[in-house]
Amino acid sequence: SAVISQKPSRDICQRGTSLTIQCQVDSQVTMMFWYRQQPGQSLTLIATANQGSEATYESGFVIDKFPISRPNLTFSTLTVSNMSPEDSSIYLCSVVVGADRVYEQYFGPGTRLTVT
Amino acid sequence: AQKITQTQPGMFVQEKEAVTLDCTYDTSDPSYGLFWYKQPSSGEMIFLIYQGSYDQQNATEGRYSLNFQKARKSANLVISASQLGDSAMYFCAMREIPSGSARQLTFGSGTQLTVLP
Repeated sequence: SAVISQKPSRDICQRGTSLTIQCQVDSQVTMMFWYRQQPGQSLTLIATANQGSEATYESGFVIDKFPISRPNLTFSTLTVSNMSPEDSSIYLCSVVVGADRVYEQYFGPGTRLTVT
Repeated sequence: AQKITQTQPGMFVQEKEAVTLDCTYDTSDPSYGLFWYKQPSSGEMIFLIYQGSYDQQNATEGRYSLNFQKARKSANLVISASQLGDSAMYFCAMREIPSGSARQLTFGSGTQLTVLP
């Protein structure tokens, strides 16, 4: 398994500002992801954080809005830029561990963001 | 088409009773993994149990077991001896693994379980 921490755990932000969320893993992992969970909804993958290169974004998510950094195999940041109330969500960092077709995936505790 | 279907938006169970949360999936890949996660009101996603498509036996983890019926494409979660702390949202998820390269997790819509005292 993997132990994942996220900072901040929650925040209330003003419209038009930006927030950077940090994700720290207790071991080196190859695959790291960022998800969004809007209120009452399931999880949606924002992007795959690639170490040493640009993140791979899913349809509907763009780098200008959600810039991601991954300087090493244990750390990543997600920035939510120019926020609007529609960005109010839980943002979750996630990693995959395992091999031989057992790709177990673990999640951080999440960052609960409210935009006013 | 939905890859993961959870048809029970909400479920109630009496404390100490067993409960089954339904999950059906759709894939044409012979290699895939099925996951169940618990999400309490705090928001964290807690990994509960994993079942691989080639696993011969149903997965079990403590009070959690996965009733895997491959032909029916169902992967129901069974929680035995429910506890008040089991009250949470439960998500079923699938990862397809075509040709040895894993795809992303696809999540169902979730089932809100409430355990009654």
